[in-house]
Amino acid sequence: DTGVSQNPRHKITKRGQNVTFRCDPISEHNRLYWYRQTLGQGPEFLTYFQNEAQLEKSRLLSDRFSAERPKGSFSTLEIQRTEQGDSAMYLCASMGQGWQKLFFGSGTQLSVL
Amino acid sequence: KQEVTQIPAALSVPEGENLVLNCSFTDSAIYNLQWFRQDPGKGLTSLLLIQSSQREQTSGRLNASLDKSSGRSTLYIAASQPGDSATYLCAVSSNAGGTSYGKLTFGQGTILTVHP
Repeated sequence: DTGVSQNPRHKITKRGQNVTFRCDPISEHNRLYWYRQTLGQGPEFLTYFQNEAQLEKSRLLSDRFSAERPKGSFSTLEIQRTEQGDSAMYLCASMGQGWQKLFFGSGTQLSVL
Repeated sequence: KQEVTQIPAALSVPEGENLVLNCSFTDSAIYNLQWFRQDPGKGLTSLLLIQSSQREQTSGRLNASLDKSSGRSTLYIAASQPGDSATYLCAVSSNAGGTSYGKLTFGQGTILTVHP
């Protein structure tokens, strides 16, 4: 059990570019969550997967955002045509079946210039 | 819509002091409440989870209480140490269904500094 892994740790991009983040949950955790956190605020829920199915999406997840979890293992979060307002820490978390405790990764810090 | 508020926003104390962090939430129909710790630029570490049917949970020098009817929780830290310096976040799970235990609503956090 190596914990939740997120890559890259930091991403700097120019406005208008596309970026993709990866999350590897704790093995055998079937539930995976994405959150976004801006400076000085608590994390905000973006989306949730159970196995490979995306079961819930927040209104924060505009049509420029897409998340996938092929085969119910790792997950990717893609942001198209990035905007400066997308600058934030993107956090991934996983949870095992029958558990209520969330395990968070260290996050990907996105800076859009 | 669930809203979570944490008071104070920041707290600075000398080493050895006992301290209390406060959290309030607007909708008492919660499934559980969790306290997390976040170090600068890092992810979140779960400290304590209290089920809605429970009144408190303890782990080492940490004790969290829950009063669901009044929408309040407190995190008590005994004999604070410089290593306790971090942001402490309170979060509630408002969905009773099994699919969304991890959909949490967070407060803004309390930034704690413990100085030697």
